[in-house]
Amino acid sequence: DAGITQSPRHKVTETGTPVTLRCHQTENHRYMYWYRQDPGHGLRLIHYSYGVKDTDKGEVSDGYSVSRSKTEDFLLTLESATSSQTSVYFCAISESTGKYEQYFGPGTRLTVT
Amino acid sequence: QQPVQSPQAVILREGEDAVINCSSSKALYSVHWYRQKHGEAPVFLMILLKGGEQKGHEKISASFNEKKQQSSLYLTASQLSYSGTYFCGTENLLTGGGNKLTFGTGTQLKVEL
Repeated sequence: DAGITQSPRHKVTETGTPVTLRCHQTENHRYMYWYRQDPGHGLRLIHYSYGVKDTDKGEVSDGYSVSRSKTEDFLLTLESATSSQTSVYFCAISESTGKYEQYFGPGTRLTVT
Repeated sequence: QQPVQSPQAVILREGEDAVINCSSSKALYSVHWYRQKHGEAPVFLMILLKGGEQKGHEKISASFNEKKQQSSLYLTASQLSYSGTYFCGTENLLTGGGNKLTFGTGTQLKVEL
């Protein structure tokens, strides 16, 4: 199994509070991704990174920001959490592009009350 | 725009075959297939690339029709362990690389004795 961990694994927070989710990898892969998974929508890309300090938006980036100061860590921040951001968040990594698969972390279940 | 998967759900008896389809409205560079069991992370199955190259699972096959922007996943002699939700993820020619995938909403497959 690829070495990917996510923390926390579960979190309950109140509307309006900031939340940071962490993804940590030990594979030294260049690409890292944040997805959210909701019933009926599948997996949707929030942000991704193609190197240290190099990030770009995905299809559902509003309300989220990311940072990557080290190869191994990719942080997802909800500046002011809303109930619509209640979801399961998955981090994924990929060695490169083209014929390289993505490996997914175990997920973080976030509930915003 | 998410690729469309069909069927949305299918129930098989052990040993039966199944086909899951994935169709996109955009010209594709690659199609990825993943399987997710309840409460777990998605797991890589196959990559199909424009030009015919494939990479993936020995016991699962797939096809990629570049002209029609369609892919099919073939599950033969199904086993109980094949149960789960299958997602296709597509990378289109305009995304500029980065392995940025747009996932379908999934096909729920259940294999019974």
